[in-house]
Amino acid sequence: NAGVTQTPKFRVLKTGQSMTLLCAQDMNHEYMYWYRQDPGMGLRLIHYSVGEGTTAKGEVPDGYNVSRLKKQNFLLGLESAAPSQTSVYFCASSSHIGLAGVYNEQFFGPGTRLTVL
Amino acid sequence: AQTVTQSQPEMSVQEAETVTLSCTYDTSESNYYLFWYKQPPSRQMILVIRQEAYKQQNATENRFSVNFQKAAKSFSLKISDSQLGDTAMYFCALRGFGNEKLTFGTGTRLTIIP
Repeated sequence: NAGVTQTPKFRVLKTGQSMTLLCAQDMNHEYMYWYRQDPGMGLRLIHYSVGEGTTAKGEVPDGYNVSRLKKQNFLLGLESAAPSQTSVYFCASSSHIGLAGVYNEQFFGPGTRLTVL
Repeated sequence: AQTVTQSQPEMSVQEAETVTLSCTYDTSESNYYLFWYKQPPSRQMILVIRQEAYKQQNATENRFSVNFQKAAKSFSLKISDSQLGDTAMYFCALRGFGNEKLTFGTGTRLTIIP
């Protein structure tokens, strides 16, 4: 049981280049999330998905796209990277939000450090 | 909208002492969940403790306990007998019942001094 994994762990891009971050979870979770973490700003939600084939915008979605073609995978794409997208990116997953008393805490991947020059 | 505020950017304490990290929040929901996550230098986010708002009893997990004051919208984390391995960033987070999104505070960097 690997939990939540992210690929790659580190990446350096030049301005204007594109890339895709892959998140995979083996816990059969319905919900998946992409966050970015910047110094002094905590974790901010970029996009999320409540199920296969569905995605929604979070707090800071501009410049990113996502896809959830399979339940276990959630992809984050940068079409034209900018220096402002230099950050640490975290993926997380949780089970279906349901009854009271069920915490549905989010489980996090190890993060991807992205630098855009 | 919901907000989480951590007003202590950095703290330090001697090993074996007790330290309390503060967190205040705001939400319009009547039931919600509160969490403390730890992020050590490895960067991995680790759930430390959790509390459901309608439960009056404060949650405890070994050396970690919370002081949940619902009326004051306060959710502080107490670490007893602090250890070097407690050195980390600590994030307070809030999720409304039925809400799939988690709102984080900006974090408190805690350093345990040998």
